[in-house]
Formats: sequence, C-alpha cells, structure tokens
Amino acid sequence: QSALTQPASVSGSPGQSITISCTGTSSDVGGYNYVSWYQQHPGKAPKLIIYDVTNRPSGVSNRFSGSKSGNTASLTISGLQAEDEADYYCSSYTSSSSRVFGGGTKLTVL
Amino acid sequence: EVQLVESGGGLIQPGGSLRLSCAASGFTFRIYGINWVRQAPGKGLEWVSYIGSSGSTIKYADSVMGRFTVSRDNAKNSLYLQMNSLRAEDTAVYYCARDGYGGYHFDYWGQGTLVTVSS
Repeated sequence: QSALTQPASVSGSPGQSITISCTGTSSDVGGYNYVSWYQQHPGKAPKLIIYDVTNRPSGVSNRFSGSKSGNTASLTISGLQAEDEADYYCSSYTSSSSRVFGGGTKLTVL
Repeated sequence: EVQLVESGGGLIQPGGSLRLSCAASGFTFRIYGINWVRQAPGKGLEWVSYIGSSGSTIKYADSVMGRFTVSRDNAKNSLYLQMNSLRAEDTAVYYCARDGYGGYHFDYWGQGTLVTVSS
C-alpha cells in the first residue's frame, strides 16, 4: 500500500487560511469516507483533528475543517494561529482493510 | 480519562526479538479495536497493525507481515506486539492508538515507546 501524497510543507501568516491536500486512489481516499487528519507537535503523540472526512472531535477548534473530492481530501485551517505550527498527517481506510498515512506536511506560521 | 501507556521498547540487535505492551485504562477496552502505528526518527507515521475488539480480526502492514504478531488480553486491558527478526528499518517510536468506536480513525494515542535496532 503506497503512502498518500501530501505537500511536504505549507506556510501562512497569522489570521490567514491554508489548505493541505491528501491524494490517494479509488482504493483508499476515493473509495471510502474514512479520511482522518492528525496534528503532531514536536516530541508529542499525534492528535486527531478530523475524522470521516468532515467531522471534528469534541474540543477541536472549528477553525479546522475537512473535505473530499474524488481521490483527494483536504484539510483547511482558517484564522491561522502560532500554535497551529505543527506536522499534519492524513490517513485513510483501504480496500485491503488496512490503513495508510500520508507522508506528512509541515505547517509554518510566518 | 482514556489512557494508553506503551512499554517494552529499548535497544536490540538486528535479528533480535522484542515484545511491546500497551496498557489501557479509562474506557471499556474489550469493545474497541486497537492499532500499532510507528514513526521512524524524523519521518512520518506508518500504520503497523490492527486487532479487533475480540482479537479475531487482525491486519498487518506488508513491511512487518510474518515478523510481527499482535495480540490482546481483554481481561488485563492490554495489547501486545511481538516483534521478531528485527531490522534496522524497524527503528521507530511505536504508538498504540485506539480506533474510534465503529470507525476507522485513531481517536486516542499513547505517548509511544522507542525501539532502536542496532548492533
């Protein structure tokens, strides 16, 4: 199972919005509404921020939103804040009943 | 409060074996599927294995198939990962991560345990 494709890095200024893409195939992202997103700060465990493409767990800021079109899912962070600077990973359920992650995207808040 | 606490990591020589444990608390362990996810130093996340709530459904990544064995003891609220024939490329922080109930996302993670495979 090949990793999902994410940009290596994105950046934005405080208050701006950014979008991170996550491209897979019809056997993972495109085939199921089971895409999730994780935020990871240095030295910390990942934290779930979006599940089932668009859902936010309780306690996660509504500045985080998810969407999907075809084989590409996207995470949008609006009103960028300094604390959003972190690595972001997408994940999907796959047709072989396994899971696959994206390579990760480093978000820099300028 | 949901807690997952991994243990058992350490330095091991190539070809050696190691058993990781994950102790769960704060939720009804026996009804949740649990995963192992690893992260090599400076690298991204890699899904390793899944075990269903009863232990009857088990999945592995191709990279560990035939070398790693996942198991659970619902009476002890514990998850295990037996790792054999270890390679340098298995060096990583290993996390246990709970599946959201009825879902395919990792809603709670442990703090991780570091496995270093080196001579």
